[in-house]
Amino acid sequence: RKEVEQDPGPFNVPEGATVAFNCTYSNSASQSFFWYRQDCRKEPKLLMSVYSSGNEDGRFTAQLNRASQYISLLIRDSKLSDSATYLCVGPPSGYSTLTFGKGTMLLVSP
Amino acid sequence: NAGVTQTPKFQVLKTGQSMTLQCAQDMNHNSMYWYRQDPGMGLRLIYYSASEGTTDKGEVPNGYNVSRLNKREFSLRLESAAPSQTSVYFCASSRGQGGFTEAFFGQGTRLTVV
Repeated sequence: RKEVEQDPGPFNVPEGATVAFNCTYSNSASQSFFWYRQDCRKEPKLLMSVYSSGNEDGRFTAQLNRASQYISLLIRDSKLSDSATYLCVGPPSGYSTLTFGKGTMLLVSP
Repeated sequence: NAGVTQTPKFQVLKTGQSMTLQCAQDMNHNSMYWYRQDPGMGLRLIYYSASEGTTDKGEVPNGYNVSRLNKREFSLRLESAAPSQTSVYFCASSRGQGGFTEAFFGQGTRLTVV
């Protein structure tokens, strides 16, 4: 059973659009969630942490829904530079380390 | 701000050759990790080290060995490279132990085994 699952996409949106990604997790005791961004052939980079009360950073908003066991990422006013793969990251599985989803690809077009 | 530094960035090996991927972090982090990333597979954990002096197997450890040389350095060794080990390898580190804090990644090593 996968610990963290994401829709692989791609999500194709025009500039200025609002787009949302969801990610489901299976470990109900989870405490730590993050969203990472990965550009093509580059390393993953931390985008934002996901707190129980939600987290907002500029155009990006992350939410945690414990009842339904999913986290979400909302991107408002999409920019061309937002084109990337977004990785959902959940709590440790059996390996005492973060569990990475396979990522959702976002393509923002002019 | 070096963060996590990996060497080399690119490498081509012949089947059966050995090599060591080097990783160093300057953030005084306790935990370090080695992942591989293949198309459609996402990041898969090879080995990790929750603290200096300890190492543990991850999801795909076969064919690899690691050494946590000190708090800063964590190396990954391929003893006898195989084409199936062609991949992009990422080293990462995190402040806490047990995977409850965010991880920071090196720039990756693109390894091709022919």
